[in-house]
Amino acid sequence: QVKLQQWGAGLLKPSETLSLTCGVYGGSFSGFYWSWIRQSPGKGLEWIGEINDVGRTNYNPSLKSRLTISLDSSKNQFSVNMTSVTVADTAVYYCARWKDPLRYDVSSGYAFDTWGQGILVTVSS
Amino acid sequence: DVQLTQSPSSLSASVGDRVTITCRASQNINIYLNWYQQKPGKAPSLLVYAASSLQSGVPSRFSGSGSGTDFTLTISSLQREDFATYFCQQSYSTLRTFGQGTKVEIK
Repeated sequence: QVKLQQWGAGLLKPSETLSLTCGVYGGSFSGFYWSWIRQSPGKGLEWIGEINDVGRTNYNPSLKSRLTISLDSSKNQFSVNMTSVTVADTAVYYCARWKDPLRYDVSSGYAFDTWGQGILVTVSS
Repeated sequence: DVQLTQSPSSLSASVGDRVTITCRASQNINIYLNWYQQKPGKAPSLLVYAASSLQSGVPSRFSGSGSGTDFTLTISSLQREDFATYFCQQSYSTLRTFGQGTKVEIK
């Protein structure tokens, strides 16, 4: 049973860089996209972006200019950096797993089937 | 972007009730629609994928249906542990989007 555990700084000042990491335990790193999602009262659930095991990334266009998602396959970890944060970036941030459509048939389901525990990131001066 | 609109935003129901939540997509998304349950302070959990396939371990009282633009999640007999918020999410486009959620509360 794969588990995702995430960590990172929970309190930032405006203009600082958000940095979170998610570790993948008990399952394969390959064959999946590894995603970041955030949830705030004002904007609901928002997909941030993803990376697969060979480093291919997809980003939400609304955040792309501030985002870098990277992976360390030797440690089964992936990370997100978001620059120039503002109060609007305050949210609970989740990591999650998504089947790679090039490796899995649609009948197996393309969905966020495993989630991390979530981290509240607060941006405040 | 594919916009997803859920209705209702909230509902009150009793244990044993049949509950139906709808999700409407802004364009045809075939069957690329998933449903999640979220309890307070927890991450969402996958219930249904590809519109009608039950995720492993999910009770059979949950079911999903629909295709194209209109989808439903049905709980056939509401249990106490089902009081939560439910979200739909589309897997049609790489820009993955979610509905705004439906909160199911105890009447």
